[in-house]
Amino acid sequence: QKEVEQNSGPLSVPEGAIASLNCTYSDRGSQSFFWYRQYSGKSPELIMSIYSNGDKEDGRFTAQLNKASQYVSLLIRDSQPSDSATYLCAVQASYDKVIFGPGTSLSVIP
Amino acid sequence: DAGITQSPRHKVTETGTPVTLRCHQTENHRYMYWYRQDPGHGLRLIHYSYGVKDTDKGEVSDGYSVSRSKTEDFLLTLESATSSQTSVYFCAISPKPGQGVSGANVLTFGAGSRLTVL
Repeated sequence: QKEVEQNSGPLSVPEGAIASLNCTYSDRGSQSFFWYRQYSGKSPELIMSIYSNGDKEDGRFTAQLNKASQYVSLLIRDSQPSDSATYLCAVQASYDKVIFGPGTSLSVIP
Repeated sequence: DAGITQSPRHKVTETGTPVTLRCHQTENHRYMYWYRQDPGHGLRLIHYSYGVKDTDKGEVSDGYSVSRSKTEDFLLTLESATSSQTSVYFCAISPKPGQGVSGANVLTFGAGSRLTVL
């Protein structure tokens, strides 16, 4: 069974620090990877997608992909209290399906 | 949750009763999905649809059925609700599938439907 694993946390970082979120996946055939953010009581929203090995930057967010190690990470620079949320790693499981990890809860302390 | 509406948003029901959750989209996306979210499990795929009357099972499909008679509507039915189906249910839509194609499999979620089965 295809799996996506994340540390459940909670991960606590001080305001202004770098938050590092990690994800591993089991299916070597996966080619699309996503990070979703979910505030408490709300629905998930896409913050990053990555399809090629290496880094992809978008503002304060950087996604890193290493297919050989089956590893995806999300770095949040200059963390803000508004970044406090659960971050869901998602991996393409087939041509038209996406599976999710359990999520990592991030708390940014002012 | 632009373009995607779930109803009802909250429902309390009793074990053994049928329940139908509705997802309505105005984006004309071909793909629609039903996920459930439980503590410690993240989002798990129940069923999905790749077109009108075209559906397939996900990871946790037992006890659930779906129907899609129009592009814009995707219904999730619990024929006889059990306490283990107490959960938050999210509908999601996607414009296109693909393997490693930019923009493929990007999901937009509805606001969720919280179901409690007593």
